[in-house]
Amino acid sequence: AAGVIQSPRHLIKEKRETATLKCYPIPRHDTVYWYQQGPGQDPQFLISFYEKMQSDKGSIPDRFSAQQFSDYHSELNMSSLELGDSALYFCASSPPWLAGVSYEQYFGPGTRLTVT
Amino acid sequence: GQQVMQIPQYQHVQEGEDFTTYCNSSTTLSNIQWYKQRPGGHPVFLIQLVKSGEVKKQKRLTFQFGEAKKNSSLHITATQTTDVGTYFCAGPSESNYQLIWGAGTKLIIKP
Repeated sequence: AAGVIQSPRHLIKEKRETATLKCYPIPRHDTVYWYQQGPGQDPQFLISFYEKMQSDKGSIPDRFSAQQFSDYHSELNMSSLELGDSALYFCASSPPWLAGVSYEQYFGPGTRLTVT
Repeated sequence: GQQVMQIPQYQHVQEGEDFTTYCNSSTTLSNIQWYKQRPGGHPVFLIQLVKSGEVKKQKRLTFQFGEAKKNSSLHITATQTTDVGTYFCAGPSESNYQLIWGAGTKLIIKP
């Protein structure tokens, strides 16, 4: 079965540089989520998109932006990188929502970002 | 704000012993989901519980959802090395489509 694809898997950047992370959700999933996970922490929700529109915003810094394209893939753009941005970044997708029931999220393998 | 609390943070067990993690929400949940994250891996969906008092089993894993739909537990019988990882519970936010995650319980098998 198709899974969520993320690229790149690893990324090393220097402080103040920019980074773009890509996510390809499972086909026919209409919601995409971005998470940041630091060592030993639970995933922190950054932002989500439903049918290509931003649906929710979590603890996403103003230096970060994201969008979802017509083919449903999503990109997370990170500018003015800081050392504290070093983390695992996960993308997840979920199938169409039915009223009153939230569907499970399927996570990609993640992008490990290291800022030096 | 809405919170999901999970305990313990870590649990060390001998292989073959049982393991339990507990999840408690500050609000009534429409459902609760459980995920497992292996070391170096990504969270993997295990199960979703929707009904009050629901109990579901997956082989050696037993999931329960409390009558008040505010707490849940995951119990693993006779742990194996393949069970190692962090188990997260997560419940939907009251106000949007986000999942509110517990902090996770890390299952460690003693050598």
